[in-house]
Amino acid sequence: AQSVAQPEDQVNVAEGNPLTVKCTYSVSGNPYLFWYVQYPNRGLQFLLKYITGDNLVKGSYGFEAEFNKSQTSFHLKKPSALVSDSALYFCAVRYDSWGKFQFGAGTQVVVTP
Amino acid sequence: DTGVSQDPRHKITKRGQNVTFRCDPISEHNRLYWYRQTLGQGPEFLTYFQNEAQLEKSRLLSDRFSAERPKGSFSTLEIQRTEQGDSAMYLCASSYDRDRGPELFFGEGSRLTVL
Repeated sequence: AQSVAQPEDQVNVAEGNPLTVKCTYSVSGNPYLFWYVQYPNRGLQFLLKYITGDNLVKGSYGFEAEFNKSQTSFHLKKPSALVSDSALYFCAVRYDSWGKFQFGAGTQVVVTP
Repeated sequence: DTGVSQDPRHKITKRGQNVTFRCDPISEHNRLYWYRQTLGQGPEFLTYFQNEAQLEKSRLLSDRFSAERPKGSFSTLEIQRTEQGDSAMYLCASSYDRDRGPELFFGEGSRLTVL
């Protein structure tokens, strides 16, 4: 069974509008949840993570994400998107008993001027 | 601050040849991971080390793949008798497990093209 799902292959948004990228995870122990961004032909860059505590976490470049245990979701948000936010975004999960990180299939974000 | 470095960045080889990739993690990091990523897909877990011990290996890693991390520092990923299906980006990442839930730091990747 897939541990993390990103239901949208692509998200299109106009510059200045709110951006949301969805992620859901399978329930199995205590999840550690992460968001990464990837630009073409580059490695992945860490944006933010949820380990414990406040359900709303803030990260780099104005991004934030909300952990929702009842809906097993960890959606990435940005109040006002920039053209430079256009990239591939990955959600990842790691469980207490795991060493490995499981990544979603990715969501391509396209921000138009 | 030196990040994770991978070498070579690009490798083109003919089917049946052996290739080796090297990863130098962030110096104080005790965990090192290898992932494979094909175009438009998420990274797929291959294997990871804690210090020099290889703790987990994916079923994706056939007998043609081997990874080592001698002395718990740099790591190598070798692919023997390459096949066209091995063409992908090979990503290395490291972390330091001093806290719960440390994030991974990725290198820029090594892109393999098998002709």
